[in-house]
Amino acid sequence: AQSVTQLDSQVPVFEEAPVELRCNYSSSVSVYLFWYVQYPNQGLQLLLKYLSGSTLVKGINGFEAEFNKSQTSFHLRKPSVHISDTAEYFCAVSGAPGGYNKLIFGAGTRLAVHP
Amino acid sequence: DGGITQSPKYLFRKEGQNVTLSCEQNLNHDAMYWYRQDPGQGLRLIYYSQIVNDFQKGDIAEGYSVSREKKESFPLTVTSAQKNPTAFYLCASSPSGATSETQYFGPGTRLLVL
Repeated sequence: AQSVTQLDSQVPVFEEAPVELRCNYSSSVSVYLFWYVQYPNQGLQLLLKYLSGSTLVKGINGFEAEFNKSQTSFHLRKPSVHISDTAEYFCAVSGAPGGYNKLIFGAGTRLAVHP
Repeated sequence: DGGITQSPKYLFRKEGQNVTLSCEQNLNHDAMYWYRQDPGQGLRLIYYSQIVNDFQKGDIAEGYSVSREKKESFPLTVTSAQKNPTAFYLCASSPSGATSETQYFGPGTRLLVL
């Protein structure tokens, strides 16, 4: 079975500092990996996704993530955060046997950017 | 603008009552999904549909029912059999249901029990 572990439930950081949100997954098959962002009381919005090819994926709002197959990780990074990046971030994996687009989500990481 | 709408934004349920959450999309997507979000648990799949008049149970379907009579609409009913319905419910869609596709989410409905 597939699973996703987000290693930090909360990450506090000061504005303009770099940040890394960690995500590890387990799967017996090749997977696709996603990062979504959720602002308070809103739906989820895609930040970036890895399907194949280059292991460094760039997304919206200056975020990027690196797929590491040997470590089964897909950590999200931003070199300089803004107050507006305060939100909850979800890592997700798809590609489960059966063919349909079932997303398995991690529990989320709450990023709090302080001035 | 294309997107997904969910209504109502807040919904209150009394004991023993069935309630229905609306989800409509104008993205011309074939696949639609319902997720439940609880604090600290991420999102869990309730039901999904890859085509009109067909839907499948997800991981936590007990106490819920759906219909897919139109491509644009995928309503979710929370029945009285669902003993712990308080949660944030999110509807999503994707073009065809392929595993590489991005899912697009609505703004959510928060269900509270009176």
